[in-house]
Amino acid sequence: QKEVEQDPGPLSVPEGAIVSLNCTYSNSAFQYFMWYRQYSRKGPELLMYTYSSGNKEDGRFTAQVDKSSKYISLFIRDSQPSDSATYLCAMSTPYNTDKLIFGTGTRLQVFP
Amino acid sequence: GAGVSQSPSNKVTEKGKDVELRCDPISGHTALYWYRQSLGQGLEFLIYFQGNSAPDKSGLPSDRFSAERTGGSVSTLTIQRTQQEDSAVYLCASSLMGHRRAYEQYFGPGTRLTVT
Repeated sequence: QKEVEQDPGPLSVPEGAIVSLNCTYSNSAFQYFMWYRQYSRKGPELLMYTYSSGNKEDGRFTAQVDKSSKYISLFIRDSQPSDSATYLCAMSTPYNTDKLIFGTGTRLQVFP
Repeated sequence: GAGVSQSPSNKVTEKGKDVELRCDPISGHTALYWYRQSLGQGLEFLIYFQGNSAPDKSGLPSDRFSAERTGGSVSTLTIQRTQQEDSAVYLCASSLMGHRRAYEQYFGPGTRLTVT
C-alpha cells in the first residue's frame, strides 16, 4: 500500500463548477500537507500548504485537512479552463519536513 | 529572479548508453532534490542534497544511478547503462533550508528521457 493515495482521474468538469480533489494517507506522522499544480510538460508549482488540521483559503482555492480520517482535499471554486492541469498532493513529517511524499496526481480538465 | 533550470529538456539515448542530466538550482537554495516521474506515477524521490551533509540516496533505484553536487550549487544526475524502464521525466527541485518553509520546493521544467 502506498503511503499516499490519489485518484488519477481524469476529472472533467464544465467551467464554473466546484472541483473537489482528494488524497488519503496512512502515516499519522504527516503534519505538513501541500498541493502542487503541474501543467503539461512543466514542473510542479506549489499551490497551497497547510500545517496540521483545518482549512486554508486562498482566492478560489481551499485546502482542507482531516487528520482523524487521514484525508485531505483541495476545492476549486468557479473553475476556469486555465485550471486544467494535474494536481499533486504532497506530505511530510515534522522531523523530515522537506522529504515530501507525493500522490500520483489527479488530472483535471475544465471545459468552456 | 531565475528559477530552477534543467538541461537538456529532452534526451533520446540508446539502451546501454550513459546519460548525464544537469540541474541549476535557485541561487542561495541549499537543498536540492531529484525526482523521477513516469507516466501514471507520482513523483518518485531519488536523491536529496542538504548543504554540506552526506546526500540521502535512499531513493536511487539501482547502482546505475548516481548524482553529485559541486560547490553546493549545480547537480548532475548520471544514469549508466540506460534501460528502457529508465524512460521518464527527471525533475529537479531546490528549497531554502533552515527557513521555516523548507518544504516549499521549487521545481525545474524537467528532462524528458527516452531510452530506445
